[in-house]
Amino acid sequence: DQQVKQNSPSLSVQEGRISILNCDYTNSMFDYFLWYKKYPAEGPTFLISISSIKDKNEDGRFTVFLNKSAKHLSLHIVPSQPGDSAVYFCAATPTGTASKLTFGTGTRLQVTL
Amino acid sequence: GAGVSQSPRYKVAKRGQDVALRCDPISGHVSLFWYQQALGQGPEFLTYFQNEAQLDKSGLPSDRFFAERPEGSVSTLKIQRTQQEDSAVYLCASSFLSVTFFGGYTFGSGTRLTVV
Repeated sequence: DQQVKQNSPSLSVQEGRISILNCDYTNSMFDYFLWYKKYPAEGPTFLISISSIKDKNEDGRFTVFLNKSAKHLSLHIVPSQPGDSAVYFCAATPTGTASKLTFGTGTRLQVTL
Repeated sequence: GAGVSQSPRYKVAKRGQDVALRCDPISGHVSLFWYQQALGQGPEFLTYFQNEAQLDKSGLPSDRFFAERPEGSVSTLKIQRTQQEDSAVYLCASSFLSVTFFGGYTFGSGTRLTVV
């Protein structure tokens, strides 16, 4: 069973606009969440994370929002740039077991000119 | 080195063959992880080392999979009697912190294994 779900396999956004990538989870034990970005033929690169004690974390153009009651998080990229075109993975872990990340299936973001 | 290095980048194995995949973590990194990423899926956890100790191997899919990190640096993932379902990208990641501190891992570029 998919404990972390990214229901949109792909997303296309114009340069300069906002990209919103969504992620849902089912395991109530998850309380730390991460986003990774992956280019072809490269490993995933850590982007931003959020603990369940917060509902928002911001780093430059990237903001992650967490809605614990809905078991939903989202990554906002503003403004989107062509270099943001990649596959984005959401990942989650329970406290104390940071060794084992559970990943979603990814969303391919295409930022068009 | 500057990053996590994995070798080989690509491996084609005949069904039934044994393979060994190598991971060189970032120097000084305490924690090392192996993940398996099948086509169109997200990475799935295989195993975790803290220094030379294998603290979690709950993700290894069968007893054909074996991982070691004898001196607390380089790690090898061995797959015996490969099957077609083993075809995937095998990702290694490392972190200088122990498991109790959160943060992003640094992933290598992976080894793409194709079993024919």
